[in-house]
Amino acid sequence: DAGVIQSPRHEVTEMGQEVTLRCKPISGHNSLFWYRQTMMRGLELLIYFNNNVPIDDSGMPEDRFSAKMPNASFSTLKIQPSEPRDSAVYFCASSFGTGDAGYTFGSGTRLTVV
Amino acid sequence: KQEVTQIPAALSVPEGENLVLNCSFTDSAIYNLQWFRQDPGKGLTSLLLIQSSQREQTSGRLNASLDKSSGRSTLYIAASQPGDSATYLCAVGYGNKLVFGAGTILRVKS
Repeated sequence: DAGVIQSPRHEVTEMGQEVTLRCKPISGHNSLFWYRQTMMRGLELLIYFNNNVPIDDSGMPEDRFSAKMPNASFSTLKIQPSEPRDSAVYFCASSFGTGDAGYTFGSGTRLTVV
Repeated sequence: KQEVTQIPAALSVPEGENLVLNCSFTDSAIYNLQWFRQDPGKGLTSLLLIQSSQREQTSGRLNASLDKSSGRSTLYIAASQPGDSATYLCAVGYGNKLVFGAGTILRVKS
């Protein structure tokens, strides 16, 4: 298995632009998570899906952030409009069930908003 | 509130030393606990996963223990090597939610 695949690896965009981050979970995993990592706040859970349904989006910081999972093999995290304080590394992770076999993380997308 | 604390925040040791990283959590109703390694600019690599019913897990030079009643876990690294230098993250699983500690930055000097 290729693991959790995220794209792009790096994204530099101007303030006010729309940013879309993509994630392909491990085949067979039915839970998908989006995390954000910053120096100040560490790793924070933004949202997670179970069987393609958003279960908990309480970590999404503002309405500018939205996430979708149209099918079991693809998810997007969109920021519109982007702001400099959104600069961070965004990780996608997947697991099966309640994570009894652990969680597998992607390599992350480093977002810089200038 | 579910909080995870890791001590120390940073650690520098000479090659060959045995060392212990500590993790504590406030809510003991955990499903599992996972230790990750993160190299600079990279993603998270899973090291060990301990289920709530287990006391410890071992993989090579790594041993992780779990004491749910006291809300603590330790990661023991034997005979440390420069290649072990990285940030080590403790993540506590509560159902479908992982709560991370801030990490321990480890440097092993050759």
